[in-house]
Amino acid sequence: DGGITQSPKYLFRKEGQNVTLSCEQNLNHDAMYWYRQDPGQGLRLIYYSQIVNDFQKGDIAEGYSVSREKKESFPLTVTSAQKNPTAFYLCASSFSSGLNTEAFFGQGTRLTVV
Amino acid sequence: QQQVKQSPQSLIVQKGGISIINCAYENTAFDYFPWYQQFPGKGPALLIAIRPDVSEKKEGRFTISFNKSAKQFSLHIMDSQPGDSATYFCAASGADKLIFGTGTRLQVFP
Repeated sequence: DGGITQSPKYLFRKEGQNVTLSCEQNLNHDAMYWYRQDPGQGLRLIYYSQIVNDFQKGDIAEGYSVSREKKESFPLTVTSAQKNPTAFYLCASSFSSGLNTEAFFGQGTRLTVV
Repeated sequence: QQQVKQSPQSLIVQKGGISIINCAYENTAFDYFPWYQQFPGKGPALLIAIRPDVSEKKEGRFTISFNKSAKQFSLHIMDSQPGDSATYFCAASGADKLIFGTGTRLQVFP
């Protein structure tokens, strides 16, 4: 089945640790995105990538890093510099780099700082 | 200029009623306006989308109305069902970003 797979579904992090969230897609999409979802704030764009080995900062990139070494994979690292990392993280992909086509979302990773 | 404002924040509708969610945008460069539906603990899924060259699009019980001059668009859910209970997000996209509204939590009671 084609789709986007995020792992893990739940992740717990101690303060001061970096953690990496995985996102893999087998839809042959060029563009991939990471969003953060907090209650009452909708979906905020962290990073996006339109092609392999290239990515751009979104609206809330501070404290996060990404890589795009393969078309299928777009991992997100939440660094210790992110002051409030507890949130629901969503990865998405689409055919068009212009984003005016359907974006497909993964099932999300819920990150909790303990 | 990049914001998409969505209202109401929450909506309670009786089964069989009409649910209406409104969105407004500022950037006239936006050219694609999708609505996403999200169930608890899941990722959003595309429900219906419209481009600014049409004023209305209908798919089953779901209709988007689009007012280009007012820079507003809305989602109408006819004959609302308990299974429609979810969070709905409007969005707008331009050159390279998909900007989301803050979401509307819809509850449909039998």
